[in-house]
Amino acid sequence: AQSVAQPEDQVNVAEGNPLTVKCTYSVSGNPYLFWYVQYPNRGLQFLLKYITGDNLVKGSYGFEAEFNKSQTSFHLKKPSALVSDSALYFCAVRAYSSASKIIFGSGTRLSIRP
Amino acid sequence: NAGVTQTPKFRILKIGQSMTLQCTQDMNHNYMYWYRQDPGMGLKLIYYSVGAGITDKGEVPNGYNVSRSTTEDFPLRLELAAPSQTSVYFCASSYTLGQDNYNEQFFGPGTRLTVL
Repeated sequence: AQSVAQPEDQVNVAEGNPLTVKCTYSVSGNPYLFWYVQYPNRGLQFLLKYITGDNLVKGSYGFEAEFNKSQTSFHLKKPSALVSDSALYFCAVRAYSSASKIIFGSGTRLSIRP
Repeated sequence: NAGVTQTPKFRILKIGQSMTLQCTQDMNHNYMYWYRQDPGMGLKLIYYSVGAGITDKGEVPNGYNVSRSTTEDFPLRLELAAPSQTSVYFCASSYTLGQDNYNEQFFGPGTRLTVL
């Protein structure tokens, strides 16, 4: 069965410091992996995705994520956090064999202090 | 492009009442989805559609119905509202061509529903 885990409910980082939001997944076959961000009272917005190729994926707003097949992880990173990065972040996984079944993690709240 | 639009933004229902949540997209996407978001629980898929006239159940379909008569519209119907249906509902769409296509989803702003 497909699953995705975000082990941290909340991550707190000082502005200017690097940030990491963790995600691990379980899926049969090759995974398609996504990160979305949700600002208050808004729908989710796409940040980046991994389909194939280079394990380091770059996305919007300076975010990047590293696909690690052996650890079944897809952690979201940013070298220097901004206060405006404070939001709720969701990891999602889709199995290659299932175009419709995308599983979302429970979300991680990122809080950047000035 | 307006993207994905949802109406209403907020609604309060009494137990047993019915309502339809509207969703429209203007991107000519073939796939459309309905999710509910409960606090701390992430998103759960209610129903999805791969094209006009085709719908299928997701993870939590009980108490809901959908239809897809056009590419643009994907309404979600609650027939007998229950307090357990209190949630935020999101509609999303994507352009997907089966297994080999992997485009991201575009989300609407959500409908906050309270059932009392």
